[in-house]
Amino acid sequence: TQLLEQSPQFLSIQEGENLTVYCNSSSVFSSLQWYRQEPGEGPVLLVTVVTGGEVKKLKRLTFQFGDARKDSSLHITAAQPGDTGLYLCAGGGGKLIFGQGTTLQVKP
Amino acid sequence: EAQVTQNPRYLITVTGKKLTVTCSQNMNHEYMSWYRQDPGLGLRQIYYSMNVEVTDKGDVPEGYKVSRKEKRNFPLILESPSPNQTSLYFCASTQGLGQPQHFGDGTRLSIL
Repeated sequence: TQLLEQSPQFLSIQEGENLTVYCNSSSVFSSLQWYRQEPGEGPVLLVTVVTGGEVKKLKRLTFQFGDARKDSSLHITAAQPGDTGLYLCAGGGGKLIFGQGTTLQVKP
Repeated sequence: EAQVTQNPRYLITVTGKKLTVTCSQNMNHEYMSWYRQDPGLGLRQIYYSMNVEVTDKGDVPEGYKVSRKEKRNFPLILESPSPNQTSLYFCASTQGLGQPQHFGDGTRLSIL
């Protein structure tokens, strides 16, 4: 059974700090997706990483796919209150598997 | 506007009273899924469908039914709801396997 473990589960930081969220598995994934979810809404796709070692940037967010395609990380530089939300990683095919999520709170 | 629409958004009901949550997408996607989201457990797939009349179980299918008679609609049916099905439910659609999912805004079900 494929599993995705996210860490940390909760993160509360001050505006301007940097942070990294990890998504790990013992299984190989052909691709991993990162989503952000805000209260009262469904998750919204941020990025898909496909190639081992791939790095993608989305403004202050940097996503990396591990060389072995078993793990991924999300790094946020100079976090802002607008980054507050639930961050989810996901992988797999028809049976998409989600990590438990990381709840991020950025305080002004 | 490309969207996935779920109804109702909120529902409080009682044990054993059959209910249906509707889901419709306007993107002509072949793949649709239902998830439930519970604190500490993340999103877990209930059922998914790869095409009209083709459905398969996800990780937590017990107590749920689905149907896919038309490409755009994928209703979730709870024949005899129980309190352990109290949760936040999301419908999603996607172009293909492993492709990004487009989610609805969720349906919060409370079963007393």
